[in-house]
Amino acid sequence: EPEVTQTPSHQVTQMGQEVILRCVPISNHLYFYWYRQILGQKVEFLVSFYNNEISEKSEIFDDQFSVERPDGSNFTLKIRSTKLEDSAMYFCASSRRAVGNTIYFGEGSWLTVV
Amino acid sequence: AQTVTQSQPEMSVQEAETVTLSCTYDTSENNYYLFWYKQPPSRQMILVIRQEAYKQQNATENRFSVNFQKAAKSFSLKISDSQLGDTAMYFCAFMKGETSGSRLTFGEGTQLTVNP
Repeated sequence: EPEVTQTPSHQVTQMGQEVILRCVPISNHLYFYWYRQILGQKVEFLVSFYNNEISEKSEIFDDQFSVERPDGSNFTLKIRSTKLEDSAMYFCASSRRAVGNTIYFGEGSWLTVV
Repeated sequence: AQTVTQSQPEMSVQEAETVTLSCTYDTSENNYYLFWYKQPPSRQMILVIRQEAYKQQNATENRFSVNFQKAAKSFSLKISDSQLGDTAMYFCAFMKGETSGSRLTFGEGTQLTVNP
């Protein structure tokens, strides 16, 4: 069964450093997402991406975040200057282009900022 | 804005028994979708079941079923014949139904433990 894959599974970075989290969405999906889950808290929406542009973003997704689809398969989340509070699990997800279509999640990338 | 509330932070059940997890939501939308996701200790988010708000029939998926009460804005998950592998955090989630690519809004989660 097709799945969303994410790398790295775990990354430790120093505060102020740039981080890039990578994802390969399911191949016939056209909507891509990033969600975040701080330890012990609920999953929060960051951004959705369609047709090579951001379609929606939350208030969390400020100027330090950016997303990109550099080629036909990868989808990346960049955090420009990490803060301690960016420590969280970051989930990439994808869905087909249809109203109400199920969103499928990757296994997550655990980011620790020290 | 939509909100999703799961009022049970933790629940436990004996293996082979039935358990029901509660979820309520608040929305002014008439067309939407509801989901239950499971997050085992591996922390991956796994879809359990999906319900379209325009359907009166409750969704079922093997041992998992929902009780969808649209007027009450309630969407509970029933797990029958609980198995040890059902131990996980369960999240209820809401999606607006008007456009493609809508975001999911999650509840706080319920930690379910299945005891042998």
